[in-house]
Amino acid sequence: AQSVAQPEDQVNVAEGNPLTVKCTYSVSGNPYLFWYVQYPNRGLQFLLKYITGDNLVKGSYGFEAEFNKSQTSFHLKKPSALVSDSALYFCAVRESSGGYQKVTFGTGTKLQVIP
Amino acid sequence: GAGVSQTPSNKVTEKGKYVELRCDPISGHTALYWYRQSLGQGPEFLIYFQGTGAADDSGLPNDRFFAVRPEGSVSTLKIQRTERGDSAVYLCASNFLGGSNTEAFFGQGTRLTVV
Repeated sequence: AQSVAQPEDQVNVAEGNPLTVKCTYSVSGNPYLFWYVQYPNRGLQFLLKYITGDNLVKGSYGFEAEFNKSQTSFHLKKPSALVSDSALYFCAVRESSGGYQKVTFGTGTKLQVIP
Repeated sequence: GAGVSQTPSNKVTEKGKYVELRCDPISGHTALYWYRQSLGQGPEFLIYFQGTGAADDSGLPNDRFFAVRPEGSVSTLKIQRTERGDSAVYLCASNFLGGSNTEAFFGQGTRLTVV
């Protein structure tokens, strides 16, 4: 069975500092990996994905994530945090083989950017 | 429409009542998903449609939950004899399975409260 772990319930970072939100995954076969962001009372917004190719993936709003196969990780990063980045972040994984495969989400990490 | 639309945005119902939640996916998207998000948790998969048929309903918690997509577009999630534990945000997502378009696009959700 596939799974995602987001070990931190909350991450606090000062505005202007770099941020990292951690994610590790477990899947049989090769993974497709995703990050979504959720603002209060809003649905999930897609940020970025890793499908294949370059391990460093760039996404929306200046976010990027690094796929590390040996560590089975896909940490979300941003060089300089903004107060407006404060939100709930979800990592998700699915197996890459075949057509449809179920997507499994982590429990989320609340990012708080302090002015 | 431009995005995934879910109605109603909020629903309060009494224990034991029947409710229907509607999802209007992005035009042209063949795949449709329902997820349930409880407070402090990540989205949990309920059911997946490819076209009109439910290709994977392994996430439905019990037989009180049912979903349809009769014309391959709009979907309705139906919950019979609602219980307080059904209170959650129900999220719908859609995408077009094929090529590299693997990410799903989410609606803003329906917040169901069973009192």
